[in-house]
Amino acid sequence: ETGVTQTPRHLVMGMTNKKSLKCEQHLGHNAMYWYKQSAKKPLELMFVYNFKEQTENNSVPSRFSPECPNSSHLFLHLHTLQPEDSALYLCASSPGQNYGYTFGSGTRLTVV
Amino acid sequence: KQEVTQIPAALSVPEGENLVLNCSFTDSAIYNLQWFRQDPGKGLTSLLLIQSSQREQTSGRLNASLDKSSGRSTLYIAASQPGDSATYLCAVGSSKTGKLIFGQGTTLQVKP
Repeated sequence: ETGVTQTPRHLVMGMTNKKSLKCEQHLGHNAMYWYKQSAKKPLELMFVYNFKEQTENNSVPSRFSPECPNSSHLFLHLHTLQPEDSALYLCASSPGQNYGYTFGSGTRLTVV
Repeated sequence: KQEVTQIPAALSVPEGENLVLNCSFTDSAIYNLQWFRQDPGKGLTSLLLIQSSQREQTSGRLNASLDKSSGRSTLYIAASQPGDSATYLCAVGSSKTGKLIFGQGTTLQVKP
């Protein structure tokens, strides 16, 4: 275990469903991130939160909605997704933006 | 725009060989460089973190070097083992954008 926990590990959802991904860290880190990893593409940064405030939205479609209620928890709310959104979604945290990152194990999302 | 390239994309070696994975980046304005390991379908495990002021870091059989001026880093794995088989990712922290930018990875197979 890295100290960053993601749930669920696997998720299959229909295009009309609403679901949420959860990320939790107890490392005392102040920054949290969502990344998307698609086959044969580099990891893509989606969102950045520093001290619970969103500081980066990397032109992510509105069908992905992040939420950071406190520095230890990060959610990614999903609705009306497309099959091309199927990917591994990774959460990471760091003490600050200029420090090393710790990643969770990811959620494998399949949209059918 | 910072770009990170990893060569080779895939590598297959017999057990016991020493090997070098390469990472290059286009913009030397970085605050750190991090090497990760990813097993199939899993999250990222941090291997080594090199701050921009450092030249190398070592952990067990792994040694990573950083040459900021030439935009290069290498990950040296000594006496490779089948358990080293995984995808190795290089990521640079851009001091201009504050973002961690990933290469596409090198997939390593170590044959018994």
